[in-house]
Amino acid sequence: DAGVTQSPTHLIKTRGQHVTLRCSPISGHKSVSWYQQVLGQGPQFIFQYYEKEERGRGNFPDRFSARQFPNYSSELNVNALLLGDSALYLCASSLGQEKETQYFGPGTRLLVL
Amino acid sequence: GQNIDQPTEMTATEGAIVQINCTYQTSGFNGLFWYQQHAGEAPTFLSYNVLDGLEEKGRFSSFLSRSKGYSYLLLKELQMKDSASYLCAVRSKAAGNKLTFGGGTRVLVKP
Repeated sequence: DAGVTQSPTHLIKTRGQHVTLRCSPISGHKSVSWYQQVLGQGPQFIFQYYEKEERGRGNFPDRFSARQFPNYSSELNVNALLLGDSALYLCASSLGQEKETQYFGPGTRLLVL
Repeated sequence: GQNIDQPTEMTATEGAIVQINCTYQTSGFNGLFWYQQHAGEAPTFLSYNVLDGLEEKGRFSSFLSRSKGYSYLLLKELQMKDSASYLCAVRSKAAGNKLTFGGGTRVLVKP
């Protein structure tokens, strides 16, 4: 069975631009969470979606938004990119909302110049 | 809020044992996870503890004491491929299924 997939794998943008990152969860998983990982640090929670509704939001500015589609895939959007947005963006899927283990995708490495 | 502490770096010899400690402060504790992350790759799930005690999975074991806000990951018979960062993450009932991660412990296995 396929694990969590993310696209693209790498991305280079310039300041002020917009980016859309995509995630497909493990088949049967209904919850998707997004994390940002800056080099040398642990992942930081951005959003959680379950059954197409936002169920949690981390301490990130409104430039960050996300959504989940009927097939449970998800997109993370970041507007007005800043240099500090350069990071590895990780998507994690789980069966449900609260008690299940999260499994991570390979991530999208974003570089903002 | 939540606070999770783990050592930044540890070095050990191939074949030896290493113990990575994690202390946490959280309200509504609902589980502690350990993930392994090789450089440039995604975290991979290692273990999950929600009750006190030791969980063993092959060469890896994880221990939890909820009263002390303490966990450790034990890596036995170290292999070179175990060189990686090990992430401790806590889930709280107050935050749905959100995971709060520590900064990670980089383990270097030497021959």
